[in-house]
Amino acid sequence: QKEVEQNSGPLSVPEGAIASLNCTYSDRVSQSFFWYRQYSGKSPELIMSIYSNGDKEDGRFTAQLNKASQYVSLLIRDSQPSDSATYLCAVNGKDFNKFYFGSGTKLNVKP
Amino acid sequence: GAGVSQSPSNKVTEKGKDVELRCDPISGHTALYWYRQRLGQGLEFLIYFQGNSAPDKSGLPSDRFSAERTGESVSTLTIQRTQQEDSAVYLCASSLTDWSYEQYFGPGTRLTVT
Repeated sequence: QKEVEQNSGPLSVPEGAIASLNCTYSDRVSQSFFWYRQYSGKSPELIMSIYSNGDKEDGRFTAQLNKASQYVSLLIRDSQPSDSATYLCAVNGKDFNKFYFGSGTKLNVKP
Repeated sequence: GAGVSQSPSNKVTEKGKDVELRCDPISGHTALYWYRQRLGQGLEFLIYFQGNSAPDKSGLPSDRFSAERTGESVSTLTIQRTQQEDSAVYLCASSLTDWSYEQYFGPGTRLTVT
């Protein structure tokens, strides 16, 4: 079982819609959760961090964490074509400074 | 301010040669990470440095891989006797401290082993 699992997609949504990206993780002791955006040929860019159960909002982005279900998600409201990228979920493990990344979900926002 | 920088941006080398990749973290960031990303894959943890503590080398795939960091500054990742399966993008990231885990990535070094 991989430490972090993501649906590879692609996930296609029309411009203006809500995009919902999901991630599950295997280690119950994980404490730190991150979403990164990666444009093709570029390095990952931090979007959101979340450490506590519940929702965390930042502009058009909302991260949701459910530790009981070992599930973290990212909602993008009012999706724009510029949001088209691969979204990577990252989680730390038992060694809290060591991070595991999912393979990413490719998002296509259609004009 | 300046972000994480890496050099070279691209490196093509022949199988069996040694390569050295460099990372300059954000000034003041004490933690530094190296990752490998194969085409279409997620990031694979290689090594982690925090200040003057012993590095976490648990992700290095073989003894051909090594890394050094001088204090809280530049780090180099060395791959000896390169193999074709070493071809990937090597990413460096830094974070402010070991309890502020938000990592900021450099542009990466694309390594191609022919």
